[in-house]
Amino acid sequence: GAVVSQHPSWVICKSGTSVKIECRSLDFQATTMFWYRQFPKQSLMLMATSNEGSKATYEQGVEKDKFLINHASLTLSTLTVTSAHPEDSSFYICSARDEGTSSYGYTFGSGTRLTVV
Amino acid sequence: KQEVTQIPAALSVPEGENLVLNCSFTDSAIYNLQWFRQDPGKGLTSLLLIQSSQREQTSGRLNASLDKSSGRSTLYIAASQPGDSATYLCAVRLIWAGTALIFGKGTTLSVSS
Repeated sequence: GAVVSQHPSWVICKSGTSVKIECRSLDFQATTMFWYRQFPKQSLMLMATSNEGSKATYEQGVEKDKFLINHASLTLSTLTVTSAHPEDSSFYICSARDEGTSSYGYTFGSGTRLTVV
Repeated sequence: KQEVTQIPAALSVPEGENLVLNCSFTDSAIYNLQWFRQDPGKGLTSLLLIQSSQREQTSGRLNASLDKSSGRSTLYIAASQPGDSATYLCAVRLIWAGTALIFGKGTTLSVSS
């Protein structure tokens, strides 16, 4: 089945630095990928929709200059948290759907735990 | 705006019990509904996907039903096991192509041996 690989699985960074998270579709191509954020004991909140070859679509309240998304190929989307602050500490998860099959379900990466100190 | 609600928020049962997790959504114009499992600190594992035209799906000890008109879905787990302990999330996809999933807050299940 469709596999989405997300790296790193966890990262600790200092305030003010930037962190890049990668999301790869391993055995399928995805023109669209989604980035979610999850706070402890809360649901997944959609941050942005990543579109291959074009600008990402951000949800209301998400700072596009802070959360930079690049979808340069059909198998890779990256989320860069710029000038990270402790309040950016969270669990980030990406997802994609194999658009080349009849499967209608979404596959999720294993998530990235970001801790900003 | 689509809202997804899951009840109960937490559930503790002894091993062997059959249990039902509930999910409700406010807008019936959905494309499909998907149930996921999430272990602590991990990503999501898809359990069952129900298309809007379907009434239920089964996989092993899991059975998910969908009543689109009433905005409800249930996940039935038969003969629960300690390994079933996790958070179960339901999510809906709206009818417009390419849209992301909208999630409920989940039900955290604990099965004791």
